Amino acid sequence: SQELEQSPQSLIVQEGKNLTINCTSSKTLYGLYWYKQKYGEGLIFLMMLQKGGEEKSHEKITAKLDEKKQQSSLHITASQPSHAGIYLCGAAIWAGNMLTFGGGTRLMVKP
Amino acid sequence: DSGVTQTPKHLITATGQRVTLRCSPRSGDLSVYWYQQSLDQGLQFLIQYYNGEERAKGNILERFSAQQFPDLHSELNLSSLELGDSALYFCASSGDLGLRNSPLHFGNGTRLTVT
Repeated sequence: SQELEQSPQSLIVQEGKNLTINCTSSKTLYGLYWYKQKYGEGLIFLMMLQKGGEEKSHEKITAKLDEKKQQSSLHITASQPSHAGIYLCGAAIWAGNMLTFGGGTRLMVKP
Repeated sequence: DSGVTQTPKHLITATGQRVTLRCSPRSGDLSVYWYQQSLDQGLQFLIQYYNGEERAKGNILERFSAQQFPDLHSELNLSSLELGDSALYFCASSGDLGLRNSPLHFGNGTRLTVT
């Protein structure tokens, strides 16, 4: 099983709707990172969360970290077609130097 | 633009062959990571170098090797290629040895197709 589980695996929403993507770890988190990937392209860094309860926002995207639940959520408000892509959470699970990634959430936004 | 450059963008080769993927990290970044992304396995960590030295190893096959040169660019060598090695190979760099204060910045990847 994956050490980082993302849900849902895919999501189709109408433009203007809000949505939430979750990322849950089976091990202690030492930092949680959110990336966006356009199909077949590189990963774009969105946000980094390091402390329990931390919340960060960038434009219409907000991410929170719940350290006790070992979980992070990514919330998009008033979605737009430009938000479409694959959202990946990555975590420093081993308190080390590398990121382990979840399986990704494929988001489609219908105009 | 992340500042991480990977070449080539695409590579098509036959089974049994050997290829080299190249990565230039962001200016000033000492750490280089290699990841493999395939449909069935997702994004898998292969190996990390910091300032020329190997620092962490993930699910990297013995047929694969990497190195980081004094100018900090890195190469990933894949040999005795198999069909299952077809994937997107990403290089990422960060400023620190660890990730506490510095996220990974990814290149656009090299798409390898083994026929």
